[in-house]
Formats: sequence, structure tokens, C-alpha cells
Amino acid sequence: TQLLEQSPQFLSIQEGENLTVYCNSSSVFSSLQWYRQEPGEGPVLLVTVVTGGEVKKLKRLTFQFGDARKDSSLHITAAQPGDTGLYLCAGESNYKLTFGKGTLLTVNP
Amino acid sequence: DADVTQTPRNRITKTGKRIMLECSQTKGHDRMYWYRQDPGLGLRLIYYSFDVKDINKGEISDGYSVSRQAQAKFSLSLESAIPNQTALYFCATSVGGNTEAFFGQGTRLTVV
Repeated sequence: TQLLEQSPQFLSIQEGENLTVYCNSSSVFSSLQWYRQEPGEGPVLLVTVVTGGEVKKLKRLTFQFGDARKDSSLHITAAQPGDTGLYLCAGESNYKLTFGKGTLLTVNP
Repeated sequence: DADVTQTPRNRITKTGKRIMLECSQTKGHDRMYWYRQDPGLGLRLIYYSFDVKDINKGEISDGYSVSRQAQAKFSLSLESAIPNQTALYFCATSVGGNTEAFFGQGTRLTVV
């Protein structure tokens, strides 16, 4: 069974601070996806990274895929209250996704 | 209207009862999935279907069954519900060759 370890599990910060969420595995994935989930809703895809070493930016969010395609990170610059939510990473292998347990981010005004 | 629709949104049922959760999609995707989400455990795959004639067990299929009635419809059944099946259930779709998933809004199931 492939496992994805996400850290930290909980993160509470003040508006304007920077943060990084990590997603690590001992397995190699074909791609890695990041989702954001708000209360009462299903996860929504933020980004997919495919190539080892790839970096993608989405406004204040920066996603990186490790060179060995086993780990990924999400960095948020100058966090805002609207960034509050559950962030999930998911590794793809054989057309199936394995999800991490998520990082619950709270950004306080 | 949501592209992936789950019904019901909330359900309370008694131990031993049979219950069906339904999922329909208007995205035209051929692949459909059922996940359950529990606090601290993340999303776990129950069953998945790559087309109407294809059904596969996921990580935690025991106690569940599914039916793919059409390309757009994928239902999940609990034949005899038990309290540890209390969870948030999500249906998702993806297009063939691409695993980027589109989720429904979820069904909160409570078994008492």
C-alpha cells in the first residue's frame, strides 16, 4: 500500500504570514495533485505536477514536485483568511489516487 | 447546477439497514469513484469504475457494493449498515487517461 504523509496536520497562522505544507512518500508517483476542501464541500483541484523538480505557481501558492517524484510541497506567501481550508495532496499511480490525511489551515485576520 | 451530484446530502440510518447513496454526473467522464472521508484519516477509495462494464475494489471495499447503471450514474450500497460506516462519502469523476478528479458535495452518513 502506498502512503502519503502530510505535515503538519494542523496549522494556525496570522494573516500575512508565509507557510509550507509537506507531502512525503517512499513511493514514486506518476503525478501529484493538490486539492483544497472547504467545510461542507468536496475537494477542488488546485494543481497537478508531473515532472520531477517541477515548480508551478498559482497566484500566492507555489507547488513543487521532488526530483525523485516521491514528495511535494505547497508554499503560501502572505496568507489571507480566504486561504483557510483543508489542503490535501494525492499521488497518482495506475490511474488511481492515494490521498494524504490533509493539513487543516486556519488563517486568522 | 453541480456537475457531480450526490443524493442524499445527509442521512441517518439504523444499524442493520440497507442504504444506497447515489451519484450522477453531467461531465461526460467515463471514470467514477467512491471515497469515504474520516477525521484524521483522509480520503480512502472504496470502489472505482473505469467504464460501465468495469468495477474494481478499492482500499476499503468490505461492507460495500456498487452499481454502474450508466456512464453517468454510480451508486454505492451498504447492505447492512454498521456504526463504523458513519463517515462523509464522496463521489468523484475523471476523464480517461487523466486522474484529475472532480468531486461531488458529499453525503454525510450517520449509522446509529
